[in-house]
Amino acid sequence: KNEVEQSPQNLTAQEGEFITINCSYSVGISALHWLQQHPGGGIVSLFMLSSGKKKHGRLIATINIQEKHSSLHITASHPRDSAVYICAVYGGATNKLIFGTGTLLAVQP
Amino acid sequence: ETGVTQTPRHLVMGMTNKKSLKCEQHLGHNAMYWYKQSAKKPLELMFVYNFKEQTENNSVPSRFSPECPNSSHLFLHLHTLQPEDSALYLCASSQEEAVRTQYFGPGTRLTVL
Repeated sequence: KNEVEQSPQNLTAQEGEFITINCSYSVGISALHWLQQHPGGGIVSLFMLSSGKKKHGRLIATINIQEKHSSLHITASHPRDSAVYICAVYGGATNKLIFGTGTLLAVQP
Repeated sequence: ETGVTQTPRHLVMGMTNKKSLKCEQHLGHNAMYWYKQSAKKPLELMFVYNFKEQTENNSVPSRFSPECPNSSHLFLHLHTLQPEDSALYLCASSQEEAVRTQYFGPGTRLTVL
């Protein structure tokens, strides 16, 4: 079992829908990353958070340290949001980045 | 947009070949990382360099040999690879090896025949 689990693994949505991607982790962490990976490989860091909530444009990330859970929300989704969304935590014994397997999001027009 | 570049973007090599992957960052960062991304698996950290010194080798086979001549450049030398080494190899950098945002390069898609 991975130390960082994401759900769902695959998600298809219609343009305009509100999307939620979940991340649960089993180790103590100092921070959590949400990353976006487009086809072709490039990875972009969306958020780094250690408590509460952050918002950037149509993206919102929340974290509940007690429940070891984070969510990434996308409001008014658009086809250009189609990508793999990866949750990663700084944690475990070595405080290195531990990655989830990613959620493949496809937003259809 | 990225301040981290990687070359080549695609590489096909035989098991007896020797090749090198190059990463360069233009962000003034002091820490650089090599990651491996295989299909259906999470990214795996391979190596970490902080101020040109290797601080992490995540049990990587010796057929992968990193080199960090300065804080801006990172190489991954490859020799006698196996087909299962085929993957996307990603380089990243951060201000320092701590809890900081990492900036990723576009990756090198490696195929070992």
